[in-house]
Amino acid sequence: GQNIDQPTEMTATEGAIVQINCTYQTSGFNGLFWYQQHAGEAPTFLSYNVLDGLEEKGRFSSFLSRSKGYSYLLLKELQMKDSASYLCAVRSPSGNTPLVFGKGTRLSVIA
Amino acid sequence: EAQVTQNPRYLITVTGKKLTVTCSQNMNHEYMSWYRQDPGLGLRQIYYSMNVEVTDKGDVPEGYKVSRKEKRNFPLILESPSPNQTSLYFCASSPGQGSYEQYFGPGTRLTVT
Repeated sequence: GQNIDQPTEMTATEGAIVQINCTYQTSGFNGLFWYQQHAGEAPTFLSYNVLDGLEEKGRFSSFLSRSKGYSYLLLKELQMKDSASYLCAVRSPSGNTPLVFGKGTRLSVIA
Repeated sequence: EAQVTQNPRYLITVTGKKLTVTCSQNMNHEYMSWYRQDPGLGLRQIYYSMNVEVTDKGDVPEGYKVSRKEKRNFPLILESPSPNQTSLYFCASSPGQGSYEQYFGPGTRLTVT
């Protein structure tokens, strides 16, 4: 089966650092994506991890541990525009659904 | 500009009236996909296509049809819409299935009364 868990909501302060966790149990693993989605808009790609470790891209970093079925997205120097939903998605190498999304974490950045 | 377009963006219709939501991409992508997004349920894949004339079911295909006659277009067809198909629909494309990010269209908000 496929199961991806993320916290439903988080709140953080402008300028701070926030970590959004994602755990997954899927039938096979072929990479993990993070997407950002502002309310009413389309998801946009943030990062991709297929090997263990940290991928850094500006203020955003994503970490993966395949043995633990765990990933996190780290956002530094938070800005008000970072208020959005963050979606974790796992690619399975087989099965009917190649890409499975978690329900998303709604992040609110407050002043 | 590289993009995925969807039409219409908003649609209110009645139960049983057939409708088609169009999706087109100008990036020569092989892989295209349709999702629906509902509060509390996240994005769920309806159908996907790995190339022309190759389509397959996702997680929630019931009540939907698709076709892929040309590489750029991937329409979603609701033959007899029902109220439980009221949702926000996204089309997406990518060069392939592997490590490629998906590019999403702007979404179609459908209401079936």
